[in-house]
Amino acid sequence: GAVVSQHPSWVICKSGTSVKIECRSLDFQATTMFWYRQFPKQSLMLMATSNEGSKATYEQGVEKDKFLINHASLTLSTLTVTSAHPEDSSFYICSSIRGAADTQYFGPGTRLTVL
Amino acid sequence: AQTVTQSQPEMSVQEAETVTLSCTYDTSESDYYLFWYKQPPSRQMILVIRQEAYKQQNATENRFSVNFQKAAKSFSLKISDSQLGDAAMYFCAYRGYYGGSQGNLIFGKGTKLSVKP
Repeated sequence: GAVVSQHPSWVICKSGTSVKIECRSLDFQATTMFWYRQFPKQSLMLMATSNEGSKATYEQGVEKDKFLINHASLTLSTLTVTSAHPEDSSFYICSSIRGAADTQYFGPGTRLTVL
Repeated sequence: AQTVTQSQPEMSVQEAETVTLSCTYDTSESDYYLFWYKQPPSRQMILVIRQEAYKQQNATENRFSVNFQKAAKSFSLKISDSQLGDAAMYFCAYRGYYGGSQGNLIFGKGTKLSVKP
C-alpha cells in the first residue's frame, strides 16, 4: 500500500497558540487529502477534504477559520489549529488518495494536547 | 445520507479460532465501495480488505474474507485462524462511487476485537 506520513506524531502546546500538522504522501501524488479527528474510543470524524490547488471543503460544524487547511502541492497538506484550546485536544489523522477510485491510505496520526 | 452501523462494540475470540464482525449500511446508490480498516493500539489505520459493490464475488485477503450481501446491505468480516496480532479496533467504512466527495469515507463506530491466547 501507499505510504503517508504525518509530522509531528505528538505535540503539546499552550492554550492560545497555533499548531501546524503536516501530512505527506511519500510515494505517490495525492490529488485529494482528508483530515479526520478521533476522540478516545470513538470513530473517525471527517473534518475536511483538501484538493491540491483549491480551497478545502469543510464538514458541517467544523470551523474553517480555526482549522486552516493548505494543500499546496500534490504531496503535502497541512492542518493548522489556530488559537488552540483544551477542547481541541484530540488525535488528528490525515489520509490521501491518488484518484477518485483509489483506496484511502492513512497517516499514523498526530496526538495534540492543549494545556 | 449514507450510514454505516456496527452493532458489536466488542468481540472476543480464542487464538486460532474464527470470528465474524458485522456491518450494515444504508445507501440509495447502486455503485460504491466498502472497506474494513484495522486500528491497533498504535492507532495507525490499516486497510484490511476492500469490496466493490458491482462485484458479486466476495473479497478475500489471506485469513480475512467478507460476506457481502448487497440486497441486505450487509458487509461482514470473517477472520480465520485468529492471531494475537489481530487484536485491534475494526472499522467498517463506505464510500460512494461518484460525486463531489471524491472518496470521502463514512465510518461505523467500530468493533473492538480481543484475542485470547
